[in-house]
Amino acid sequence: EVQLVESGGGLVQPGGSLRLSCAVSGLTFSDQYMDWVRQAPGKGLEWVGRIRDRAHSHSTEYAASVKGRFTISRDDSRNSLFLQMNDLKTEDTAVYYCVRVLGNGKIDAFDIWGQGKMVIVSS
Amino acid sequence: DIVLTQTPLSSPVTLGQPASLSCRSSQSLVYSDGNTYLSWLQQRPGQPPRLLIYKVSNRFSGVPDRFSGSGAGTDFTLKISRVEAEDVGVYYCMQSTQFPFSFGGGTKVEIK
Repeated sequence: EVQLVESGGGLVQPGGSLRLSCAVSGLTFSDQYMDWVRQAPGKGLEWVGRIRDRAHSHSTEYAASVKGRFTISRDDSRNSLFLQMNDLKTEDTAVYYCVRVLGNGKIDAFDIWGQGKMVIVSS
Repeated sequence: DIVLTQTPLSSPVTLGQPASLSCRSSQSLVYSDGNTYLSWLQQRPGQPPRLLIYKVSNRFSGVPDRFSGSGAGTDFTLKISRVEAEDVGVYYCMQSTQFPFSFGGGTKVEIK
């Protein structure tokens, strides 16, 4: 069974930093594109960013709202995905989901989702 | 950036009756490879989203055949042929044709 399990959320003050992790099991993680998606309380879904596989140099893409503040990385030896969030703003308050990309760039749909981790940015 | 507009915002449906959800894009979602990367997801209350349809009309594994997707270019539709109680939730369209990817605002399906 494929599982994505996020950890590392919590409460942080504006301007602070937080790192989310996503432990992946049940698939060949190193071959997968992985994305992060967030959802503010009571709101819709917002794409955060992507990291491609090793064959594509672990290249990344980001939403404009987080570019320069958030960094997506991965450790294929530990089957883990990370989201480093710096200079956090109140508007970053959301549930953060790690997501597997089906078929990488050939299908490009989000077929496996973690349960999500809440991040609250508040003073 | 591509904006996806979903209508209606809310769709009250009688059990066993059909539902039709619309997603309109601000620009064509046809990629240079000829494919259209438009998918539909369902989010039940308190749950993460679940993939229903990818590349406009391909039903994902395990999705009941009462769900179908159609459309082309900028106009897309998700149809539920006969709504069941378990279909209650919010439905999102999403484009992965062009970065930054984007989601529609969602359509809430509820039972009358």
